[in-house]
Amino acid sequence: GQQVMQIPQYQHVQEGEDFTTYCNSSTTLSNIQWYKQRPGGHPVFLIQLVKSGEVKKQKRLTFQFGEAKKNSSLHITATQTTDVGTYFCAGPSGANNLFFGTGTRLTVIP
Amino acid sequence: KAGVTQTPRYLIKTRGQQVTLSCSPISGHRSVSWYQQTPGQGLQFLFEYFSETQRNKGNFPGRFSGRQFSNSRSEMNVSTLELGDSALYLCASSSRDRSTDTQYFGPGTRLTVL
Repeated sequence: GQQVMQIPQYQHVQEGEDFTTYCNSSTTLSNIQWYKQRPGGHPVFLIQLVKSGEVKKQKRLTFQFGEAKKNSSLHITATQTTDVGTYFCAGPSGANNLFFGTGTRLTVIP
Repeated sequence: KAGVTQTPRYLIKTRGQQVTLSCSPISGHRSVSWYQQTPGQGLQFLFEYFSETQRNKGNFPGRFSGRQFSNSRSEMNVSTLELGDSALYLCASSSRDRSTDTQYFGPGTRLTVL
């Protein structure tokens, strides 16, 4: 079956350092979405990438979709304590199902 | 627009009991998906409803069921609760016909089974 793996599973960074999480799918994805879940909260949509090689930026966050549309990355520049949370990637599985990756839990040390 | 709402927010049950959770999607959204989130298994898809029909189902036992009403509100039911059913149950709604579009999550119902 489809698998979406994220690495690393956990990441601790000093405030101000950069952070990157990688998402790898066993199958080609028509699109990929990224979500953020704060501790004690629920997943919140961040962005969707559709095109091969697409790069999108949201302030300090940079999202990339691989050329083969099987991998993606999220890079945060100069992390802040507000970036703390778990970041999930998600891709379509069939017509009516979104398959979530395993998530990367980010801790930012002030 | 009001967001996705879920009730109750917290629930404590004992083994063998059953539970019903409720989800009201964002107004105008017709697709509602349910997920189970546990520390060990992450976010796992339970099922998805659209226009009162279950369109897709995850790999969960038959004790987990759901339904959707004509106003798009959805309920999920878990019968004969087991300790392993303790989890955060999230519902999410989508604006389009395909639930693979952006999911808007509710705050979740945290179920504890004793």
